[in-house]
Amino acid sequence: GAVVSQHPSWVICKSGTSVKIECRSLDFQATTMFWYRQFPKQSLMLMATSNEGSKATYEQGVEKDKFLINHASLTLSTLTVTSAHPEDSSFYICSAREDRGDNSPLHFGNGTRLTVT
Amino acid sequence: GQNIDQPTEMTATEGAIVQINCTYQTSGFNGLFWYQQHAGEAPTFLSYNVLDGLEEKGRFSSFLSRSKGYSYLLLKELQMKDSASYLCAIMDSNYQLIWGAGTKLIIKP
Repeated sequence: GAVVSQHPSWVICKSGTSVKIECRSLDFQATTMFWYRQFPKQSLMLMATSNEGSKATYEQGVEKDKFLINHASLTLSTLTVTSAHPEDSSFYICSAREDRGDNSPLHFGNGTRLTVT
Repeated sequence: GQNIDQPTEMTATEGAIVQINCTYQTSGFNGLFWYQQHAGEAPTFLSYNVLDGLEEKGRFSSFLSRSKGYSYLLLKELQMKDSASYLCAIMDSNYQLIWGAGTKLIIKP
């Protein structure tokens, strides 16, 4: 089946530093990838839609200058949390849609648990 | 407005059958997805329905009625490992997913 690899699985960083999270589709091409954030016991919250070769589309309330998204190839999207603060501590999950029609299922990475101290 | 409703929590017994319902009102419809999410992990794709009717996949089945804005996920022969949250998601007219809050399923021996 389709596999999405997300790295790192967990990261601890100091306040004020930046963290990059990678999302790779291993055996399929994904023009569109999505980034989510999930706080404990809460639903997935879509942060942004990442499209290969173009600027990401951010959801309302998500700061594009703080959460930098780059989708440079059909198999890789990156999310960089810049100048991280403790309130950015969360579970970040990426998903990728197979390039075989708009109603293709999303496949999720295993998530990245970010802790900012 | 857009709205997806599913029960917050359900409890069932190992070996039994459980049905998790999802009702929705969205702007446009391009399919309904069910995902399973274990605590601390990312969601896993279970099923996709775009036409009315029942889709069966092993112990899991998913049903859709577009006219009623209704779907259910049926889990048979429940196992302890089925304890998880089950997320209903609608793909809207822009092909974006709108997520329900999820149903936490607790399986008891």
